[in-house]
Amino acid sequence: DQQVKQNSPSLSVQEGRISILNCDYTNSMFDYFLWYKKYPAEGPTFLISISSIKDKNEDGRFTVFLNKSAKHLSLHIVPSQPGDSAVYFCAASDGDYKLSFGAGTTVTVRA
Amino acid sequence: NAGVTQTPKFRVLKTGQSMTLLCAQDMNHEYMYWYRQDPGMGLRLIHYSVGEGTTAKGEVPDGYNVSRLKKQNFLLGLESAAPSQTSVYFCASSYGQERGPRMGTDTQYFGPGTRLTVL
Repeated sequence: DQQVKQNSPSLSVQEGRISILNCDYTNSMFDYFLWYKKYPAEGPTFLISISSIKDKNEDGRFTVFLNKSAKHLSLHIVPSQPGDSAVYFCAASDGDYKLSFGAGTTVTVRA
Repeated sequence: NAGVTQTPKFRVLKTGQSMTLLCAQDMNHEYMYWYRQDPGMGLRLIHYSVGEGTTAKGEVPDGYNVSRLKKQNFLLGLESAAPSQTSVYFCASSYGQERGPRMGTDTQYFGPGTRLTVL
């Protein structure tokens, strides 16, 4: 049973607008969360992370929000750019250095 | 600094054939991982290693074997390939506990992937 779920397989957004990607998890032992970005024919690359002791982490255009009580996190991309078109994976760890991944959300940024 | 590299990039096998996928990293990472990616499933952990000479099973280990004879290399073997093993395989590495707990040690760095088709 998948412990990390990304319920939206795809997202289309206009250039310059905000992209919001959502992720839910079921394992209450998860305490570290990451987002990875993947272009076709390449491996995933680390984008941003957040520890469970925080509820927000920001890095340039990317912000991750964590709601522990709802077991939910989201990634905001503002403003969205054409180069942001990719697959985004949510991942979580319970401290043993293994990651559980969601199925991914494909983001398409329209000009 | 090449990061994480994987060979081969593509391979087509017939059912029952064997092969080995090679992963190499030049970042002196302690931990290494093998994942498979299938449509709608995300990345699933096959096997991992927490140091030279160690290996452990992940979420989907059946049909695969691994070895970590050198710190920089992690090999994934398929002894008798099956069509269900058609997938894209990713290797990853991370610093592990050397950098201390929670100091970004969960950040894994991925290779470019190997696309395997089993007919």
